[in-house]
Amino acid sequence: AAGVIQSPRHLIKEKRETATLKCYPIPRHDTVYWYQQGPGQDPQFLISFYEKMQSDKGSIPDRFSAQQFSDYHSELNMSSLELGDSALYFCASSLLGGAGNIQYFGAGTRLSVL
Amino acid sequence: EDKVVQSPLSLVVHEGDTVTLNCSYEVTNFRSLLWYKQEKKAPTFLFMLTSSGIEKKSGRLSSILDKKELFSILNITATQTGDSAVYLCAALRSGSARQLTFGSGTQLTVLP
Repeated sequence: AAGVIQSPRHLIKEKRETATLKCYPIPRHDTVYWYQQGPGQDPQFLISFYEKMQSDKGSIPDRFSAQQFSDYHSELNMSSLELGDSALYFCASSLLGGAGNIQYFGAGTRLSVL
Repeated sequence: EDKVVQSPLSLVVHEGDTVTLNCSYEVTNFRSLLWYKQEKKAPTFLFMLTSSGIEKKSGRLSSILDKKELFSILNITATQTGDSAVYLCAALRSGSARQLTFGSGTQLTVLP
């Protein structure tokens, strides 16, 4: 079965650079979520989109923005990167109202800011 | 503020042992509790619990939710080395805010 696809798997950037992470949800899923997991920490919710509209916002810094496109893939744009942005970034997708809205996670993008 | 607390934080057992992982929650407009298994990559979905007192089983794993006492347990019987992972529980709210609030996880290590 198709899963959530994230790219790239690994990304190395320097301070003050920008990064773009991509997420392709499971086909027919209409909701995408972004989470940030720092070293040794639990995943923290950043932002979510339902039907291409932002549906909820968590602890996402102002330097970050995200959107969901017409094909339902989503991109997380990160600017003025800081050392503390080094983390594993997960995308999850779900079908709103389907199967209790279970969120399925991608393999994550590991971002290292040097 | 929503809070999910897991215990123990880490657990080391030998193959064949049975383990019980705990998860308590304080979440506004609670809807469901989810368990995930994380092995250095994406959290893999295990269970979603919405109703109190109904045990869900999948092979050697089972889980149950107590909505009165606001906790859930995940049991793993006859543990195997492949069960070694971080087990995360997460609370899902009802309504438009559907993000998951995760606990810190339990690091389970199963020794041969």
